[in-house]
Amino acid sequence: DAKTTQPPSMDCAEGRAANLPCNHSTISGNEYVYWYRQIHSQGPQYIIHGLKNNETNEMASLIITEDRKSSTLILPHATLRDTAVYYCIVRPPRGGGYNKLIFGAGTRLAVHP
Amino acid sequence: GAVVSQHPSRVICKSGTSVKIECRSLDFQATTMFWYRQFPKQSLMLMATSNEGSKATYEQGVEKDKFLINHASLTLSTLTVTSAHPEDSSFYICSASFRDEQFFGPGTRLTVL
Repeated sequence: DAKTTQPPSMDCAEGRAANLPCNHSTISGNEYVYWYRQIHSQGPQYIIHGLKNNETNEMASLIITEDRKSSTLILPHATLRDTAVYYCIVRPPRGGGYNKLIFGAGTRLAVHP
Repeated sequence: GAVVSQHPSRVICKSGTSVKIECRSLDFQATTMFWYRQFPKQSLMLMATSNEGSKATYEQGVEKDKFLINHASLTLSTLTVTSAHPEDSSFYICSASFRDEQFFGPGTRLTVL
């Protein structure tokens, strides 16, 4: 599985956009980029995923560079409840039922008033 | 939909005793479940992959005789920490696969005195 690199921590003011980067320079052509977050003492929560195209859902947007070697998770209007550790994970393609997720260190996002 | 529960949420036990943690998929069937362990201020570490009706697959360095996994039905996997010691104190999290995605339980905090 491709390895990811994320900054250990970031700060963001409430109401502003939070842009969380992730490098995955060894990603294979058929591997997806997934983002999860973990609020303190809870299980991880799925946020979004993508393959090549930019994706948007009710929680966030995912921007993947054309060469797919990096991506950015965007929380458009961060709130205090978005304070969490955000994990960028590259995983094998769908199918086969083998969905092992390997978590890196993640980025600890602190949203402040 | 796709809710995963864990029981208990917290457990405190004496050194040398065994502790069983349950992971249930509440509204779907999961042929594959995963067990993770997380120490304070660290990331999730995959311990094993649990497959219904077959033996679990353990990650390198995880003692299969110490961490017994049973996936007896499509909605239940159990992790038993045998002869627990203080160094086994950790946050244990399970996840279940559904339609090629993973959904995480809320975690179980184990404290071994």
